[in-house]
Amino acid sequence: EPEVTQTPSHQVTQMGQEVILRCVPISNHLYFYWYRQILGQKVEFLVSFYNNEISEKSEIFDDQFSVERPDGSNFTLKIRSTKLEDSAMYFCASSWVGANTEAFFGQGTRLTVV
Amino acid sequence: GEDVEQSLFLSVREGDSSVINCTYTDSSSTYLYWYKQEPGAGLQLLTYIFSNMDMKQDQRLTVLLNKKDKHLSLRIADTQTGDSAIYFCAESMSSSASKIIFGSGTRLSIRP
Repeated sequence: EPEVTQTPSHQVTQMGQEVILRCVPISNHLYFYWYRQILGQKVEFLVSFYNNEISEKSEIFDDQFSVERPDGSNFTLKIRSTKLEDSAMYFCASSWVGANTEAFFGQGTRLTVV
Repeated sequence: GEDVEQSLFLSVREGDSSVINCTYTDSSSTYLYWYKQEPGAGLQLLTYIFSNMDMKQDQRLTVLLNKKDKHLSLRIADTQTGDSAIYFCAESMSSSASKIIFGSGTRLSIRP
């Protein structure tokens, strides 16, 4: 069964460092998403990406964040200068069409900023 | 604003039915979803219902939607130990085809 894969499963980084979280969406999907879940809090939408550009982003997704689809298979989330409050589980998702249908989620990358 | 609320914990006996409840605030919801998260795993879409429906059944799962009260429920018949997980209620809105708004999740635990 096709699945969304994320690497690494756990990343520890020092405050102020840049991190790149990687995702391989399902191959024929057109929409890609990043969500995050701070421990004990809700899963929050960060950004959606379609046709090589951001289609929607939340208030959380400020200038410290960027997304890229560098080739035909990977979808990355970069945090330029990490803060302690960026510590969270980050989920990548993809769907064939928009969110009004089934979005498949990866297992998540746990980011710990120390 | 957009908000989805659910109770945090539910404990049921194996073989009984589980009912997980959810309320939402945005009346412009188009789809409402139930996701399951097992330990160490991602979010698995269990089922979803379009906002003009009031019930959907899929094997052991029954989703009921009360649009007037903005209340969604998930019933799991004959609950098994493998159903232990966190269940997230979520909605998408007509104003955005891109994002899903999640509740906090209900942790379902099964007693022998």
